[in-house]
Amino acid sequence: QKEVEQDPGPLSVPEGAIVSLNCTYSNSAFQYFMWYRQYSRKGPELLMYTYSSGNKEDGRFTAQVDKSSKYISLFIRDSQPSDSATYLCAPGVGGSARQLTFGSGTQLTVLP
Amino acid sequence: DAGVTQSPTHLIKTRGQQVTLRCSPKSGHDTVSWYQQALGQGPQFIFQYYEEEERQRGNFPDRFSGHQFPNYSSELNVNALLLGDSALYLCASYLQGAGGAFFGQGTRLTVV
Repeated sequence: QKEVEQDPGPLSVPEGAIVSLNCTYSNSAFQYFMWYRQYSRKGPELLMYTYSSGNKEDGRFTAQVDKSSKYISLFIRDSQPSDSATYLCAPGVGGSARQLTFGSGTQLTVLP
Repeated sequence: DAGVTQSPTHLIKTRGQQVTLRCSPKSGHDTVSWYQQALGQGPQFIFQYYEEEERQRGNFPDRFSGHQFPNYSSELNVNALLLGDSALYLCASYLQGAGGAFFGQGTRLTVV
């Protein structure tokens, strides 16, 4: 079993839809939770960074972390064609390590 | 503010050769991590450098080695290249104890 499981998709939605992206993880030591967006043949771009359980909102993006169920979510409101990319969840251990364990990514296409 | 920069962007090497990849961290960041991303997969942690020392290492053989310089820039060296080393190599930087990890655009290595 992988430490981080992520639905690979592909996921296709119409413009303006609310998108829900999810990951589950098995390592209780994870304390930092990041979401990255990666366009084809580019490096990952940091979207959201949260510490421990709870919600964090930034514009159209909301990240949720439930440590009790080891479940991470990213919601995208009013999705745009420019949101079409691969989304990667990446929890990490705390302290000085900051070693991220990535999911395999969910490929999202937002249709105009 | 320059982000994380990596060089070269593309590289083709022959099996058995050695390669060196370079990374300059985001301004103000003191920690560099290296990741390997195979096609269709999430990045995998190779190792992390802080204060010019390797602090954490993922499940990669000793053929993978690195270095961090006093200006926080870093190199990744891979010896005795195998066909399976073909991947996108990503450098990430962050400031110890604060914020998320920022990635460069990557170096695409092809081993033939």
